Amino acid sequence: GENVEQHPSTLSVQEGDSAVIKCTYSDSASNYFPWYKQELGKRPQLIIDIRSNVGEKKDQRIAVTLNKTAKHFSLHITETQPEDSAVYFCAARRGGFTGGGNKLTFGTGTQLKVEL
Amino acid sequence: DVKVTQSSRYLVKRTGEKVFLECVQDMDHENMFWYRQDPGLGLRLIYFSYDVKMKEKGDIPEGYSVSREKKERFSLILESASTNQTSMYLCASSSRDSGEKLFFGSGTQLSVL
Repeated sequence: GENVEQHPSTLSVQEGDSAVIKCTYSDSASNYFPWYKQELGKRPQLIIDIRSNVGEKKDQRIAVTLNKTAKHFSLHITETQPEDSAVYFCAARRGGFTGGGNKLTFGTGTQLKVEL
Repeated sequence: DVKVTQSSRYLVKRTGEKVFLECVQDMDHENMFWYRQDPGLGLRLIYFSYDVKMKEKGDIPEGYSVSREKKERFSLILESASTNQTSMYLCASSSRDSGEKLFFGSGTQLSVL
């Protein structure tokens, strides 16, 4: 099955700096890569996703890049703010969206702390 | 806005008890999922269902079973709770029509003593 590794497990940055979280996946057939943010005591929420036919996607201060050859993808947060402090999970999914196809494998999470 | 509701926020049970965790979604989603979240291990899929009465094993199904008798409700059952099942349990749902975005419930923190 799919295996997703995520690094680092904790990341501390100064407000205004950039943060980068990296994930690698094992299944070359994976074609969908979302990122979820979980604030303390709250439920995970999707913040951005990318499909295998795209190399980069950006949404305001967050961006995701995908390198299919190397089987890794990264989350980039620029101009970090205190409200960016949370746990971030990457995930990968193999195959199409039929039947049980929507089975995501998550990484182990990165605790991001933005310090004032 | 999609609402995924889990019946209990905190639950304390004893070893050997049968435990039911309930999840209800109000957006007519076809797919429903049960994850457990443990520090350092991320979110691990226990079971999922893509239709009523259909279920498929996730990555860690041992010690769990599920039931989906109605489209809006997905139950996770611990037949005989053990201490290693102490965890945060998250239910999620998604729709084929709305893409692949998972909508999570607020979680149930289960403690097995």
